[in-house]
Amino acid sequence: NAGVTQTPKFQVLKTGQSMTLQCAQDMNHEYMSWYRQDPGMGLRLIHYSVGAGITDQGEVPNGYNVSRSTTEDFPLRLLSAAPSQTSVYFCASSYETSGANVLTFGAGSRLTVL
Amino acid sequence: GQNIDQPTEMTATEGAIVQINCTYQTSGFNGLFWYQQHAGEAPTFLSYNVLDGLEEKGRFSSFLSRSKGYSYLLLKELQMKDSASYLCAVKDSNYQLIWGAGTKLIIKP
Repeated sequence: NAGVTQTPKFQVLKTGQSMTLQCAQDMNHEYMSWYRQDPGMGLRLIHYSVGAGITDQGEVPNGYNVSRSTTEDFPLRLLSAAPSQTSVYFCASSYETSGANVLTFGAGSRLTVL
Repeated sequence: GQNIDQPTEMTATEGAIVQINCTYQTSGFNGLFWYQQHAGEAPTFLSYNVLDGLEEKGRFSSFLSRSKGYSYLLLKELQMKDSASYLCAVKDSNYQLIWGAGTKLIIKP
């Protein structure tokens, strides 16, 4: 079982460039989400999805797009990268959101925007 | 607003016991989670509390008091591998997780 697979692990972008962070899970989880983690702050939710074809905004969605065409995949697109988007990004999934459903995280993607 | 507070950093000695506190103010409550995160790695699940009281899992225990908006994670017989950040998170009324900034635990020999 691969769990949650994120690519790339590291990426350096110039301001204004666009890119896509890939996330795939093989656990048949309905819920998938993207977080960013910055020093001294808690994980902040960017976007999430409760199933294929359904996406919604989290706490910090500006500058990011997502889509969920299949249960397995949930890519995160940076439309025009800014230095403020320098961060570590985590994709996470769970069977559903209620109760004790535990998030399984990908290994993370470290993004630097120059 | 919603808020999770935990100490930024704690230091403890190998073999000792340490308690990491977490206080929360959220819109509704649907459970509290503790995750462990080693430097440069992803968070991994440690414990879940939804009812008041103590949940014990090996060397780790987690306590919850809903009336006080308070939880703690208790780590016994500390080992060097326990050096990590410990993240407290609460599920709010919309079943979204609200995360604390994490407590960095440093274990000294």
